[in-house]
Amino acid sequence: DQQVKQNSPSLSVQEGRISILNCDYTNSMFDYFLWYKKYPAEGPTFLISISSIKDKNEDGRFTVFLNKSAKHLSLHIVPSQPGDSAVYFCAASDTSGTYKYIFGTGTRLKVLA
Amino acid sequence: ETGVTQTPRHLVMGMTNKKSLKCEQHLGHNAMYWYKQSAKKPLELMFVYSLEERVENNSVPSRFSPECPNSSHLFLHLHTLQPEDSALYLCASSQDGGADNSPLHFGNGTRLTVT
Repeated sequence: DQQVKQNSPSLSVQEGRISILNCDYTNSMFDYFLWYKKYPAEGPTFLISISSIKDKNEDGRFTVFLNKSAKHLSLHIVPSQPGDSAVYFCAASDTSGTYKYIFGTGTRLKVLA
Repeated sequence: ETGVTQTPRHLVMGMTNKKSLKCEQHLGHNAMYWYKQSAKKPLELMFVYSLEERVENNSVPSRFSPECPNSSHLFLHLHTLQPEDSALYLCASSQDGGADNSPLHFGNGTRLTVT
């Protein structure tokens, strides 16, 4: 039973446009959410996070939105650049000390020049 | 240079071999993790150590045996693996397990192939 789902395995976007990556979760105890980027032959790199007390967090070109009622989060990248082409994973955690970060299956983003 | 270093990067082993994966973190974190990434599957948590004490064992077969001699080093000892154990094994660390503002920092992984 997958608690964190990324239903789009891949996404292609033109350079300069907005990329929107989506993630859904089922566990209402999750209160900390993260996005990771992964290039081939490298480990995932932390990108941005959001606590459940917020509904938006922004860092440069990257913004994460959280809709707790819908149990949905999204990552917006604007403007998209070719170097953003990678696999993006969302992850969720229940911060009551369980040490469990649950990951989605990832979305492969391709930014076309 | 990544703050989490994993060796070896690639490993091919037979089903009767014994090998070990090594992970070292230079970030001063107090929690370390082993994750397994198989094709088209989410990252699967295997083990978590906090301050050198194992706090999570996610129903992993006994042919995988972790060891955490100190807060900077983590090993995964492998013994009589099966071909389906072939995967990317990722080590990670964090300041506090699962706490807010404490993301995981990953190494580059060991690509394991069991023949």
